[in-house]
Amino acid sequence: AQSVTQLDSQVPVFEEAPVELRCNYSSSVSVYLFWYVQYPNQGLQLLLKYLSGSTLVKGINGFEAEFNKSQTSFHLRKPSVHISDTAEYFCAVIPLRAGAQKLVFGQGTRLTINP
Amino acid sequence: DAMVIQNPRYQVTQFGKPVTLSCSQTLNHNVMYWYQQKSSQAPKLLFHYYDKDFNNEADTPDNFQSRRPNTSFCFLDIRSPGLGDAAMYLCATSRVSGNTGELFFGEGSRLTVL
Repeated sequence: AQSVTQLDSQVPVFEEAPVELRCNYSSSVSVYLFWYVQYPNQGLQLLLKYLSGSTLVKGINGFEAEFNKSQTSFHLRKPSVHISDTAEYFCAVIPLRAGAQKLVFGQGTRLTINP
Repeated sequence: DAMVIQNPRYQVTQFGKPVTLSCSQTLNHNVMYWYQQKSSQAPKLLFHYYDKDFNNEADTPDNFQSRRPNTSFCFLDIRSPGLGDAAMYLCATSRVSGNTGELFFGEGSRLTVL
C-alpha cells in the first residue's frame, strides 16, 4: 500500500518570496509522483509529474519539484510566488503496475500569498 | 477545450431526493473515476470503471451508484442524499495503455443538500 504525507497543512507566504511545499511518501513498490493544484471551486490540474530520469522536474506556472529516493520525498518549489498561486496543492502517488491504478493523495497544503 | 466535462457544476437537492451527476470525456480514456471531496480534505475515491468493469471501494456507501453506458459518459447517482453527502464530486479519467499514471480531472460538481 502507498501513503502520502504533506507536512504542512497551511503555508502563508509574501508575494515574490520563495516557497517550498513538502511531501513524503511511503510505498513498497516503485511509484510515479505528481503534484496537482486546485483553485477554489475547481477541479484538480496537473502541475508536474515524475516518472523516471532526471530527479528535478519542471512544471507549469514556474513550479519545480525534486524527487529524492533515499528520503522518499518530492518537495515542490517556486522561487517567486504570485497572488495567483493562492490555491490548494496536493501531492499524489500511483504504483507502477499494470492496469487501472488508484491515485493516493496527501491531505493537501493550502498556499496563501499575501501582498 | 475542456476534455472532461461535468454537469451540473452546482447542484442543490433536498434531503432524500435522488440526484444524478454526469461526466463526459473526449479523451477516449478507458478508465473513469469518481471522487468525493469534502471541504479542506483530499479527494476520496468512490469507485472507478475500467472499460465496462465496475470497481467499488470497500468503504463507499450503498447510497452511491454509478453507470457507464459508453466510453464517453459516466454518471454518479446518489439515491437518498443526506446532509453528510454535501461535497464536491470530481470525475477523472486515465489511459491504461502506455499508462503514465496521470489523471485528467473535470471541474467538479458541487452538491448542496438542504
